[in-house]
Amino acid sequence: GAGVSQSPSNKVTEKGKDVELRCDPISGHTALYWYRQSLGQGLEFLIYFQGNSAPDKSGLPSDRFSAERTGGSVSTLTIQRTQQEDSAVYLCASGSLAMNTQYFGPGTRLTVL
Amino acid sequence: AQTVTQSQPEMSVQEAETVTLSCTYDTSENNYYLFWYKQPPSRQMILVIRQEAYKQQNATENRFSVNFQKAAKSFSLKISDSQLGDTAMYFCAFMNHISNFGNEKLTFGTGTRLTIIP
Repeated sequence: GAGVSQSPSNKVTEKGKDVELRCDPISGHTALYWYRQSLGQGLEFLIYFQGNSAPDKSGLPSDRFSAERTGGSVSTLTIQRTQQEDSAVYLCASGSLAMNTQYFGPGTRLTVL
Repeated sequence: AQTVTQSQPEMSVQEAETVTLSCTYDTSENNYYLFWYKQPPSRQMILVIRQEAYKQQNATENRFSVNFQKAAKSFSLKISDSQLGDTAMYFCAFMNHISNFGNEKLTFGTGTRLTIIP
């Protein structure tokens, strides 16, 4: 079946602009995760959605970052007033409780000029 | 908090040889999962192998196998008969498991860049 998809594949924006990154999880997966991969910080957790439970936002680096998940499926990660340090690859993963495994999308490479 | 350490930033091996990538972790939890993910230049994170902490038997997936030493908190990956397509970054990752609630985030090591030499 289809894997996790993310869009756009690449995004270039100017400092101070807002950006939205989209993730479509594998159908039927109740868990959805966002991670950030940057040169200086490696892979770091951002936010986790599990079914209808309140999301775990403990990894969001600042209040400029937010995410939502509509209808228990598609998720959007929004970064407001982007800064150059936000440049990174943003990875989305989904999983199910039964499988205890996370499957990743291809990521969105964000470049803030 | 959990930590994952990969002490080999880079490794290289001749095609068809065997290579072992090291990973250690630190946790006070008893119920968890360990993973190896592969990230080729395409940047797609691909699951290589998974190990449940409650299982003593080491996981195996074709040419990939692990040596899981729970007491030592060690989780190494062995790649047998290495192929050019194995060239990639390899990340070791830890995930805590909470029964009846679900799973938590993955905590990653810093990765090992593996190059297979023709």
